[in-house]
Amino acid sequence: DVKVTQSSRYLVKRTGEKVFLECVQDMDHENMFWYRQDPGLGLRLIYFSYDVKMKEKGDIPEGYSVSREKKERFSLILESASTNQTSMYLCASSLATANGYTFGSGTRLTVV
Amino acid sequence: GQQLNQSPQSMFIQEGEDVSMNCTSSSIFNTWLWYKQDPGEGPVLLIALYKAGELTSNGRLTAQFGITRKDSFLNISASIPSDVGIYFCAGPATGANSKLTFGKGITLSVRP
Repeated sequence: DVKVTQSSRYLVKRTGEKVFLECVQDMDHENMFWYRQDPGLGLRLIYFSYDVKMKEKGDIPEGYSVSREKKERFSLILESASTNQTSMYLCASSLATANGYTFGSGTRLTVV
Repeated sequence: GQQLNQSPQSMFIQEGEDVSMNCTSSSIFNTWLWYKQDPGEGPVLLIALYKAGELTSNGRLTAQFGITRKDSFLNISASIPSDVGIYFCAGPATGANSKLTFGKGITLSVRP
């Protein structure tokens, strides 16, 4: 079965910390995505990548950066965590958009 | 940009009831996808639709690709408690390297 693995299910970090959220897929997919999910706001795209070392901003990139050094791994970085970045973070990958995305189980991040 | 509209934000039904939810857009979509997100998990693809008028079933779930290409419907028959979760519709945005556009989702609660 196709799998997207997010390294942590729950994280608690302090304001100002640098936070790394890791995502690994085992499907040889070229496309990878990071979303955050908040009640009433749905899924909001932060960054995405169509190839190794390639990244594009999504709808809400401010306060975030990403890294894609290897095809299977897409990391989301919070340069200086703030309380308004408390959220559920979802990673996804796809081969072709029309086939949909495969999502990881999510990381619930709390910034205190 | 393209938007997918899902309403209401929440639905409450009795176990055993059927429920129908729809997803609408002002733009044409050539693919419609329906996802379900269990509490605390990532979304999982339920049904994919690729042709106007197409009707596809997955167990107790049936989805239809609207004739106008601007809407899609998901029906759940004989609901059970494990049907609780958030149901998202999605479709590819237009343009090269198109990403998925997601509706904001409908949270379904099933009363035993």
